Amino acid sequence: KQEVTQIPAALSVPEGENLVLNCSFTDSAIYNLQWFRQDPGKGLTSLLLIQSSQREQTSGRLNASLDKSSGRSTLYIAASQPGDSATYLCAGGNTGTASKLTFGTGTRLQVTL
Amino acid sequence: EPEVTQTPSHQVTQMGQEVILRCVPISNHLYFYWYRQILGQKVEFLVSFYNNEISEKSEIFDDQFSVERPDGSNFTLKIRSTKLEDSAMYFCASSERSSGNHEQFFGPGTRLTVL
Repeated sequence: KQEVTQIPAALSVPEGENLVLNCSFTDSAIYNLQWFRQDPGKGLTSLLLIQSSQREQTSGRLNASLDKSSGRSTLYIAASQPGDSATYLCAGGNTGTASKLTFGTGTRLQVTL
Repeated sequence: EPEVTQTPSHQVTQMGQEVILRCVPISNHLYFYWYRQILGQKVEFLVSFYNNEISEKSEIFDDQFSVERPDGSNFTLKIRSTKLEDSAMYFCASSERSSGNHEQFFGPGTRLTVL
């Protein structure tokens, strides 16, 4: 059974700082890993998807990496802005026919002025 | 840009009542999902649906729950007899899954409050 953990649970950084969010998973047979952003009381916005055959994906100021052998993924946010403040969730997809996602508890990010 | 939509945004019901939560997935997507998030907890998988049948379901998805794709656009989650512990945010998601694209896109959610 896949278990996903995210550290830290909360993070506060000043604007402009680069930061890394961590995600760990227990089952290395993971098929893909998806990073989401969730604003308070809102839905989940997909940020990046990394397939198991890939090592990283980039979108704008975001870069996500995947290391199956160590059971880890990281989300790197460059030049953080106050608008980046949100909860960031990682979720692992299994190899089942419909690839259900197993979510971590999230990292709550606050970017201060 | 295409998006998943859900109605209603907020549903309040009495314990023991039936509720139907509605979703319109992205039009060319073939795989559909329901997840829920109890306040302060993780997002949890409930069920996946493909080709008009359930592909996988979690332990949470017991006989009180059912899903249906009644027409070419809607995807519904029915809870037959709601319990207090069913209070949560329910998210619908869909994915295309062609050419190995498994990215799931989520709707804004329906907040279900059971009194």
